[in-house]
Amino acid sequence: GQQLNQSPQSMFIQEGEDVSMNCTSSSIFNTWLWYKQDPGEGPVLLIALYKAGELTSNGRLTAQFGITRKDSFLNISASIPSDVGIYFCAGLHKGSQGGSEKLVFGKGTKLTVNP
Amino acid sequence: NAGVTQTPKFQVLKTGQSMTLQCAQDMNHNSMYWYRQDPGMGLRLIYYSASEGTTDKGEVPNGYNVSRLNKREFSLRLESAAPSQTSVYFCASRLQDGANVLTFGAGSRLTVL
Repeated sequence: GQQLNQSPQSMFIQEGEDVSMNCTSSSIFNTWLWYKQDPGEGPVLLIALYKAGELTSNGRLTAQFGITRKDSFLNISASIPSDVGIYFCAGLHKGSQGGSEKLVFGKGTKLTVNP
Repeated sequence: NAGVTQTPKFQVLKTGQSMTLQCAQDMNHNSMYWYRQDPGMGLRLIYYSASEGTTDKGEVPNGYNVSRLNKREFSLRLESAAPSQTSVYFCASRLQDGANVLTFGAGSRLTVL
């Protein structure tokens, strides 16, 4: 089945630094989603990308849908302590022959921000 | 709006005990999902229900059963809990199986001794 390779697995940065993480796959996806999970909570959607090449920003967050439709990255600029959490990418793959679409998750990037 | 509500938030079980995790959504979503989250493994799909009256296996269904009680509620049952089922369980829903955005509950942390 489809798999997403998310990297890095973890990051330790200083407040104010920029962060970059990415997901790659051997499969093509129709939609890329980026979620953030705060400690003790469920994942919350940050950004959704619907077209190859699309670049979308949400405040200090910027994400891009790779032109090959097999990858996506998420950048966080000027990190702050509340950026701490686990970031997940997810790809939506259209089912073949009318089958349902499948949402596949990466394994997450754990971000630690030191004040 | 409460969104997706899961109960209980925490549970400790002994091996062999049974329990049911409850999930309800108030967004009139058709599709509901159960995931488990383990360190280094990300989110893995256990079962899902594309619409009321249907359920299907996900990536890791063994040891679990589900019931789509009505459009709002989707429960996950462990008939005979095992230590390997110690995990954090998340319920999620979306408008329909092909819709893009998945909304998650806050999670249920289960420990099996």
